[in-house]
Amino acid sequence: EPEVTQTPSHQVTQMGQEVILRCVPISNHLYFYWYRQILGQKVEFLVSFYNNEISEKSEIFDDQFSVERPDGSNFTLKIRSTKLEDSAMYFCASSETALSSTFGSGTRLTVV
Amino acid sequence: AQTVTQSQPEMSVQEAETVTLSCTYDTSENNYYLFWYKQPPSRQMILVIRQEAYKQQNATENRFSVNFQKAAKSFSLKISDSQLGDTAMYFCAFILDQGAQKLVFGQGTRLTINP
Repeated sequence: EPEVTQTPSHQVTQMGQEVILRCVPISNHLYFYWYRQILGQKVEFLVSFYNNEISEKSEIFDDQFSVERPDGSNFTLKIRSTKLEDSAMYFCASSETALSSTFGSGTRLTVV
Repeated sequence: AQTVTQSQPEMSVQEAETVTLSCTYDTSENNYYLFWYKQPPSRQMILVIRQEAYKQQNATENRFSVNFQKAAKSFSLKISDSQLGDTAMYFCAFILDQGAQKLVFGQGTRLTINP
């Protein structure tokens, strides 16, 4: 069964450093998403991406965040200058019809 | 704005029992979809079941079924013959059938199945 693949599974970074979280969506999917889950809290929407551009972003997704689909297969989330409160599980998701998202296994980001 | 509320932070039942997880939501729109996702300790998000709002018939997937009450904006999940592997966080989620179609999640219910 096709999977959404996320790397790395766990990343530790120092406050102020840039991080790039990587995702390989399912190949025929057209809609791509990033979600965040702070430990013990609910999953929150960050950004959606369709037709090579951002279709919607939440208020969490400020200027420190950016997304790219650099080569037609990878879908990346960049955090320019990490803060302690960026520590969370980051989930990539993709879908063919936008109504049934498949999630990756997540990247646990720890900012120290 | 759409909101999803799960009022049960934790639940615990014995193996083989039936358990029902509650979810309510709020929207002024008419066309939407509702989901239950399971998050085991591995923290992956796994789709359990989906319900289209335009369908009156409740969705079922093997031991999992929903009770969808559109007028009451209620969407509960029933797990029959519960198994140890059902132990997980369960999230109710909502998506509009328009726009960016992002998922809006509830706070989650931690379900423990005891042997």
